[in-house]
Amino acid sequence: DGGITQSPKYLFRKEGQNVTLSCEQNLNHDAMYWYRQDPGQGLRLIYYSQIVNDFQKGDIAEGYSVSREKKESFPLTVTSAQKNPTAFYLCASSKGATIQETQYFGPGTRLLVL
Amino acid sequence: QKEVEQNSGPLSVPEGAIASLNCTYSDRGSQSFFWYRQYSGKSPELIMFIYSNGDKEDGRFTAQLNKASQYVSLLIRDSQPSDSATYLCAVNMIGNSGYALNFGKGTSLLVTP
Repeated sequence: DGGITQSPKYLFRKEGQNVTLSCEQNLNHDAMYWYRQDPGQGLRLIYYSQIVNDFQKGDIAEGYSVSREKKESFPLTVTSAQKNPTAFYLCASSKGATIQETQYFGPGTRLLVL
Repeated sequence: QKEVEQNSGPLSVPEGAIASLNCTYSDRGSQSFFWYRQYSGKSPELIMFIYSNGDKEDGRFTAQLNKASQYVSLLIRDSQPSDSATYLCAVNMIGNSGYALNFGKGTSLLVTP
């Protein structure tokens, strides 16, 4: 099956802890994205990557870090510097990063703070 | 500030009626527009996209774009209870780091039997 997978489905973070959210795609897409969604809010862009070994900050990158060592994978780390991490995290990918490219979403990871 | 605006709703329509969802955007240079459907607790799924002024039809869905008025809408004909969801409008805008999708907060649609 082609698609985007995210794991885990639910993740719990303790104070001062870094946690990593996984995102994998087998669509052979070049571009990958991370969004955060809070209740009743739209999606806000955290980071995106157009090619391997390159990524750019989105609107709310503070407290987050990413890597793009493989085309298929774009993990997101929520660091202890992110003071309000409780949210629904969505990974997306697109074939390219041009203005007409459609983004497709994974199932999401819900992060909760203990 | 580049913005995408949607009425939060809920928009309630009876089964079989036409649901009309509206979206306005601030960046006059925007070129591509997307509608996503999001069920509660799930991730967004693409319904359709539109690039040119006018109407684009796909089954029961019609997207309408008016760039002069900076307005995009989604019509759902013969609405079904399974269409009850939040509909997100997304607009591709040029930001500080290149192209990015800007999302509205979504309109909640409730189709009543």
